[in-house]
Amino acid sequence: EADIYQTPRYLVIGTGKKITLECSQTMGHDKMYWYQQDPGMELHLIHYSYGVNSTEKGDLSSESTVSRIRTEHFPLTLESARPSHTSQYLCASSNFATATGELFFGEGSRLTVL
Amino acid sequence: AQSVTQLDSQVPVFEEAPVELRCNYSSSVSVYLFWYVQYPNQGLQLLLKYLSGSTLVKGINGFEAEFNKSQTSFHLRKPSVHISDTAEYFCAVTRMDSSYKLIFGSGTRLLVRP
Repeated sequence: EADIYQTPRYLVIGTGKKITLECSQTMGHDKMYWYQQDPGMELHLIHYSYGVNSTEKGDLSSESTVSRIRTEHFPLTLESARPSHTSQYLCASSNFATATGELFFGEGSRLTVL
Repeated sequence: AQSVTQLDSQVPVFEEAPVELRCNYSSSVSVYLFWYVQYPNQGLQLLLKYLSGSTLVKGINGFEAEFNKSQTSFHLRKPSVHISDTAEYFCAVTRMDSSYKLIFGSGTRLLVRP
């Protein structure tokens, strides 16, 4: 069973608000990721990190930002939420040592911006 | 660049019937292949993976998949499904030389009816 946690699970917020989606893992994994998932569509990588103080943008452009100050924590922030940001955000992690691409996912944060 | 195509957005099937979920990929380099399952309101969970060796891979919950290099396919099968198999199934690929980024297909919703 994976030990990766996301909060909040559900968030409804008004346009223009700042939001932070939290993601924490207790497995000591080096790599962490944020995927955006819309209904009936594939997951798109929006951010990833190889380790502390390392962050990169993914394949899908996103107005969100991330930080990696601690190995276990990888929060995602939207400075000013808009309805176009409504989506499900999935956090994942993996172990550098395995190098096989297996990801462990959190349960997701479903964001609705009104 | 890699891409993954899941031809069927939804597959309805009766309980205890066999099922096949199709996945085709394109890549100019060798890849690892994965199937993930997502139950309602949960994150993704690894079903099985192909790294090398035998082209028939067995996973959890009685699922198996066969890697076909000539047809660039990695179809998922189960000989007899249960109601509890109702979920979204995602095929994914990553390059062998950069296994930190998974590329996902758009998903197939398996709907098992009694």
